[in-house]
Amino acid sequence: KAGVTQTPRYLIKTRGQQVTLSCSPISGHRSVSWYQQTPGQGLQFLFEYFSETQRNKGNFPGRFSGRQFSNSRSEMNVSTLELGDSALYLCASSLPVSTGGTTSTDTQYFGPGTRLTVL
Amino acid sequence: EDQVTQSPEALRLQEGESSSLNCSYTVSGLRGLFWYRQDPGKGPEFLFTLYSAGEEKEKERLKATLTKKESFLHITAPKPEDSATYLCAVQNAGGTSYGKLTFGQGTILTVHP
Repeated sequence: KAGVTQTPRYLIKTRGQQVTLSCSPISGHRSVSWYQQTPGQGLQFLFEYFSETQRNKGNFPGRFSGRQFSNSRSEMNVSTLELGDSALYLCASSLPVSTGGTTSTDTQYFGPGTRLTVL
Repeated sequence: EDQVTQSPEALRLQEGESSSLNCSYTVSGLRGLFWYRQDPGKGPEFLFTLYSAGEEKEKERLKATLTKKESFLHITAPKPEDSATYLCAVQNAGGTSYGKLTFGQGTILTVHP
């Protein structure tokens, strides 16, 4: 079974530009979560999508947005790039788990990440 | 707010020298605790999921254990290829925690031949 794939693997942008990153989850996985990883802050949760709906959002400015398509593939967009947005952006996919009438998620499997450098 | 603290920050071992990594957590209700391994420039690789206190899981030279306040990753007779950053994360059982893992800062493990 193919793992989580992310494209592109590397990006160099300048301040003020915008960028779109793509994530294809493991086949059958319907939840996609996005994280930002930096040396200073570690891994921080951006948002989670399930069945094309954003169910959860981390503490990031509105410049960070995302969406999910009907095939569970997801994209995230960062507008008006700042130097501090330089980071490794990771997406993770997981299977839905039904507990007590709600749909939660189980173990997350990560992609290789997109290394974004903002100059 | 969920919190995860890992110790030590860095650990250097000789090949064959067993040791343990610690993950202390604070969460209102635990859905799961996860261990990952991350090599430089790569995404985290899943190792274990633990759900309740007393649970233990093993894989090759690694064994993860869980109590109500912390988890340990025991490494038995490590080899140089075990060198990596080991990350611990928790997921809250609350209904508003969909898809969100809270990570610790990681332990950088170096195993010398």
